[in-house]
Amino acid sequence: DAGITQSPRHKVTETGTPVTLRCHQTENHRYMYWYRQDPGHGLRLIHYSYGVKDTDKGEVSDGYSVSRSKTEDFLLTLESATSSQTSVYFCAISDLKGGQYFGPGTRLTVT
Amino acid sequence: KQEVTQIPAALSVPEGENLVLNCSFTDSAIYNLQWFRQDPGKGLTSLLLIQSSQREQTSGRLNASLDKSSGRSTLYIAASQPGDSATYLCAVSKIGGSYIPTFGRGTSLIVHP
Repeated sequence: DAGITQSPRHKVTETGTPVTLRCHQTENHRYMYWYRQDPGHGLRLIHYSYGVKDTDKGEVSDGYSVSRSKTEDFLLTLESATSSQTSVYFCAISDLKGGQYFGPGTRLTVT
Repeated sequence: KQEVTQIPAALSVPEGENLVLNCSFTDSAIYNLQWFRQDPGKGLTSLLLIQSSQREQTSGRLNASLDKSSGRSTLYIAASQPGDSATYLCAVSKIGGSYIPTFGRGTSLIVHP
């Protein structure tokens, strides 16, 4: 168990509203990641972090921003939610061997 | 660009069978390869992690092998059970790439009693 929690676990929001998802880890891992998972697309990387205040874009970063002010927390913000951002969002960490370990996911619906 | 392919996309077997899931990748310059299990509506659970210098890893009824030169990995499940029903994904991480993996699309496995 990599000690990863995500909040909220489920959220329904309206188009145009900002949304922030939180990922929290308890084991001080340096690397953290946000993915989205959609039928027909598999898992796609949104953003990742390689340390406090150090982040970089993934393959589907448009419309998303991230922040990491503490080692244990990695926030994903949808600046103005759109229906195309309806998805399941997963946070992950990498341990010292480079293995990835995932949180339970957040199911987001944008109406 | 790394591409990861998993064959078959779906598999249905009777309980008790030994089975093999396949994962192939196009770039052999990998840091590691990892197998995951995902149950419907749930997150990904790590099953086995193989470093690039290793040839295989075992956990219980699961055995994963890695052949970098041919760009292949197999996940062997012995004596399958209905509880093994899930989607199995493999992912390969590249050298020097912040451990960012490339995922396959998965094999959906159903083990029927």
